[in-house]
Amino acid sequence: EDQVTQSPEALRLQEGESSSLNCSYTVSGLRGLFWYRQDPGKGPEFLFTLYSAGEEKEKERLKATLTKKESFLHITAPKPEDSATYLCAVQKARDTGRRALTFGSGTRLQVQP
Amino acid sequence: DAEITQSPRHKITETGRQVTLACHQTWNHNNMFWYRQDLGHGLRLIHYSYGVHDTNKGEVSDGYSVSRSNTEDLPLTLESAASSQTSVYFCASSESDRGSEQYFGPGTRLTVT
Repeated sequence: EDQVTQSPEALRLQEGESSSLNCSYTVSGLRGLFWYRQDPGKGPEFLFTLYSAGEEKEKERLKATLTKKESFLHITAPKPEDSATYLCAVQKARDTGRRALTFGSGTRLQVQP
Repeated sequence: DAEITQSPRHKITETGRQVTLACHQTWNHNNMFWYRQDLGHGLRLIHYSYGVHDTNKGEVSDGYSVSRSNTEDLPLTLESAASSQTSVYFCASSESDRGSEQYFGPGTRLTVT
């Protein structure tokens, strides 16, 4: 059974204090690993897709990396507007054709000024 | 701009009533998905569709149904609402290719009393 585990569940940072969020996964053949940002009362907003181990992607203060067992979302010098819940999800490479995602429970990030 | 919308945004209903949640996308995406989000469980897949007249069950499909009569819409029906179906429901869509990111709607908060 596919599993996605995110840690920590919650993280509080001071503005400018860099850190990393972890997403460990167990899936029989990974097609893609996705990172989303979710603000309270809103739908998830797409950030990145990673397809193979060693791949990295960046967007502003965020950088996502991927290994064969986990992904990290690095946040460099965060600002209060980076406060949100960050969701990780995986898509399987081989199945009956399903393209749906399996999500982790998310990491709630709070950045204090 | 292309978008995905959900209606209503908030709904209160009584146990046993039939409820339909609407999802409409203007991306012209073939793939559409319904998820529910609950504290401690993250996003869980209810039903999904890869095109007109195609529907498939997800992990938590009991008590829910969908139908796809056109590309733009995938309504979700709760046949007989139960208190366990109180949740936030998200609709999403993606392009046909594997590995394509999903775009989410703003969500519908459903309360079953």
